Amino acid sequence: NAGVMQNPRHLVRRRGQEARLRCSPMKGHSHVYWYRQLPEEGLKFMVYLQKENIIDESGMPKERFSAEFPKEGPSILRIQQVVRGDSAAYFCASSQQGTDTQYFGPGTRLTVL
Amino acid sequence: SQQGEEDPQALSIQEGENATMNCSYKTSINNLQWYRQNSGRGLVHLILIRSNEREKHSGRLRVTLDTSKKSSSLLITASRAADTASYFCATEHNTDKLIFGTGTRLQVFP
Repeated sequence: NAGVMQNPRHLVRRRGQEARLRCSPMKGHSHVYWYRQLPEEGLKFMVYLQKENIIDESGMPKERFSAEFPKEGPSILRIQQVVRGDSAAYFCASSQQGTDTQYFGPGTRLTVL
Repeated sequence: SQQGEEDPQALSIQEGENATMNCSYKTSINNLQWYRQNSGRGLVHLILIRSNEREKHSGRLRVTLDTSKKSSSLLITASRAADTASYFCATEHNTDKLIFGTGTRLQVFP
């Protein structure tokens, strides 16, 4: 049973470009969470999704950031018109319905030049 | 902010010694979880303790929870160089999202 998959592992973008981060949850998991980690800090919650639904997006910046988890395919975190302050590690986690443990992917490290 | 605080921020010990890390939080929780993160890597889930539990063990790990003090501790016994990592506590409240602490950087010298 493969773990949570994220790609790409590293992503470099110039200011103003778009970044698309993908997350495939563990098999059988229907809950996906995105977190952001700045250097030397803990993880900060961004958004919680179930298939085709955004359950909690209280941690998402109001502009330029969006997330989806379609019926088929991976969850996507999209950042439009990236700025240097978006440089961070973005982690995805998944869980089974009705359980507490979230399993994390290896992360995508975004660098904005 | 609900974010937890971890103490100490950094800890250096010799192999074979025990390492204790503490975590405090601000509001009532459903459960508290501990994760390990090696430098530049993802998070590994270590242990989950529910709000009605006081202590849990997993191998060389021992976690305690004191809900009256809103605090938890993680004890790693007989530490190894491979235990070198950052350790984070994360609390789950009435929503499913996790609130992470600031982390403790543990260095175990051989």
